[in-house]
Amino acid sequence: GNSVTQMEGPVTLSEEAFLTINCTYTATGYPSLFWYVQYPGEGLQLLLKATKADDKGSNKGFEATYRKETTSFHLEKGSVQVSDSAVYFCALSNNAGNMLTFGGGTRLMVKP
Amino acid sequence: GAGVSQSPSNKVTEKGKDVELRCDPISGHTALYWYRQSLGQGLEFLIYFQGNSAPDKSGLPSDRFSAERTGGSVSTLTIQRTQQEDSAVYLCASSPQPGRDYEQYFGPGTRLTVT
Repeated sequence: GNSVTQMEGPVTLSEEAFLTINCTYTATGYPSLFWYVQYPGEGLQLLLKATKADDKGSNKGFEATYRKETTSFHLEKGSVQVSDSAVYFCALSNNAGNMLTFGGGTRLMVKP
Repeated sequence: GAGVSQSPSNKVTEKGKDVELRCDPISGHTALYWYRQSLGQGLEFLIYFQGNSAPDKSGLPSDRFSAERTGGSVSTLTIQRTQQEDSAVYLCASSPQPGRDYEQYFGPGTRLTVT
């Protein structure tokens, strides 16, 4: 079956530091890949997505590239802010689009 | 416009009781999903509805769980004879169309506590 593995947190960084959250997946067929974010006290919301190999998703300074050869979709940001503190979930959608398979989530804490 | 809404936001129930959780998807969205978020299991898919097609129930953990979607809009997730391991946040999501490329829009969730 499909699965997503992401680095365990918490990840604690100082403001303006570089962020990488690793995500690898196992899937049959050609999944789409997503990063969702859950800010404190809020619901899950889409951060970015990529639907085919070598696509780069980007939003709010975050980027992730769909790497089929390494089955990875690592999340990066060049300079984090305190407001980026949240839990980040990597996910994939199977070919049928009838479900998302999520990684375990990574909590990011950014200190001023 | 209005997002996905869920009710109640919190529910505390005694072990063995039945509970109903409600989801109102975004108007016009044909696909509706239920997930469960718990400390031990992370985010798990439960069930998927698309239009008038038979739902995909492959994620339901036991026959105590059931769901329906009336008129292609509102959905209700029912848990019968609740157990303590059912304690979790139940999330509903909707999508404008089915398919791997479409974003799922999530509601705020219902936090269920079984005592």
